[in-house]
Amino acid sequence: GAVVSQHPSWVICKSGTSVKIECRSLDFQATTMFWYRQFPKQSLMLMATSNEGSKATYEQGVEKDKFLINHASLTLSTLTVTSAHPEDSSFYICSAGAWGKSYEQYFGPGTRLTVT
Amino acid sequence: GQQVMQIPQYQHVQEGEDFTTYCNSSTTLSNIQWYKQRPGGHPVFLIQLVKSGEVKKQKRLTFQFGEAKKNSSLHITATQTTDVGTYFCAGLNSGYALNFGKGTSLLVTP
Repeated sequence: GAVVSQHPSWVICKSGTSVKIECRSLDFQATTMFWYRQFPKQSLMLMATSNEGSKATYEQGVEKDKFLINHASLTLSTLTVTSAHPEDSSFYICSAGAWGKSYEQYFGPGTRLTVT
Repeated sequence: GQQVMQIPQYQHVQEGEDFTTYCNSSTTLSNIQWYKQRPGGHPVFLIQLVKSGEVKKQKRLTFQFGEAKKNSSLHITATQTTDVGTYFCAGLNSGYALNFGKGTSLLVTP
């Protein structure tokens, strides 16, 4: 149980275009989902916390108008990178919490974004 | 804000040797979690520690949470090549998000 999927797994886009990444909890309902960004051989940096039915909470330094997050249902959150630039190229990972006795998070497989 | 520091950054051991990674937080942690990320993969939950002085074992892995709840460690006994990957500690913040340490990359050579 507790499987999280992400789509697409990798995407290449041209500078100036927008890219949407989907994060789904497949076998549980996730009131809260998180979006992280990871550069090669570096740690995961929290970008935002996404709560179903409300606005996302962004971390300091993350542009909310550039990284649009929508959490329309208990099983789906989306991250849209708008007007992408080469510096947005990164590995984007979502996670979901199946809050019960534990606060462990289940991570999606990640999306490799390359902006040319 | 909460900062989580982790050392060493890299560790290269021979198969059969032990390995330890250490995690320190700038603030008291209510909850610390450990994750493993294989090369090219995503983080996978290993364990969660919540009690002061807590020690938990998973086969060859031993996890400890300090008495002051500001530090933690992961010790692997007799490493195997399957232990290769990056081990992250992460502190749970007030919004239930995770603040990750920089991770320790473990390389095990046979």
